[in-house]
Amino acid sequence: EPEVTQTPSHQVTQMGQEVILRCVPISNHLYFYWYRQILGQKVEFLVSFYNNEISEKSEIFDDQFSVERPDGSNFTLKIRSTKLEDSAMYFCASSEGSAGQETQYFGPGTRLLVL
Amino acid sequence: AQSVAQPEDQVNVAEGNPLTVKCTYSVSGNPYLFWYVQYPNRGLQFLLKYITGDNLVKGSYGFEAEFNKSQTSFHLKKPSALVSDSALYFCAVRDLYSSASKIIFGSGTRLSIRP
Repeated sequence: EPEVTQTPSHQVTQMGQEVILRCVPISNHLYFYWYRQILGQKVEFLVSFYNNEISEKSEIFDDQFSVERPDGSNFTLKIRSTKLEDSAMYFCASSEGSAGQETQYFGPGTRLLVL
Repeated sequence: AQSVAQPEDQVNVAEGNPLTVKCTYSVSGNPYLFWYVQYPNRGLQFLLKYITGDNLVKGSYGFEAEFNKSQTSFHLKKPSALVSDSALYFCAVRDLYSSASKIIFGSGTRLSIRP
């Protein structure tokens, strides 16, 4: 069964450093998402991406964040200058379409720790 | 605003007994509801969804959920619990006011099945 994959599984970085989290969505999916889960809190939406453009972003997704689909398979989330409060589990997801009934399939997550 | 609530942080059940994980929703219009499960060190796995039609939805691993419009509930159930069902369960609703139909998650319920 096709799966969303994410690398690395864990990332430790110093405050102020740039990090890039990588995702390989399911191959025939067209819509891509990033969510995050701060320890002990809800999973929350960050951004959605379609046709090489951001289609929606939350207020969390400020200028420190960017997303990119650098080639036909990868989907990346970059945090330019990490802050302590960016420590969280980051989930990538993909879906075939954006309609309400479409299922979003999630990757295993990248646990980011900012020191 | 669309939202879901999971009133129980933790549910404890003996193996072989039926289990129920509760979820209530608040949406404008027809809801698209989902259940996801998170096993330790794994990502969010899709279990089942309600879009329309039969109020009893069957999903993976023997789980089912009952959509109740009058009670605005979408409780997750299984007739006979297994120790391997121990995990974190998230109820979720599709935000139909979102251009990307992002998912809004509940706070999660930790299910613990004792042998």
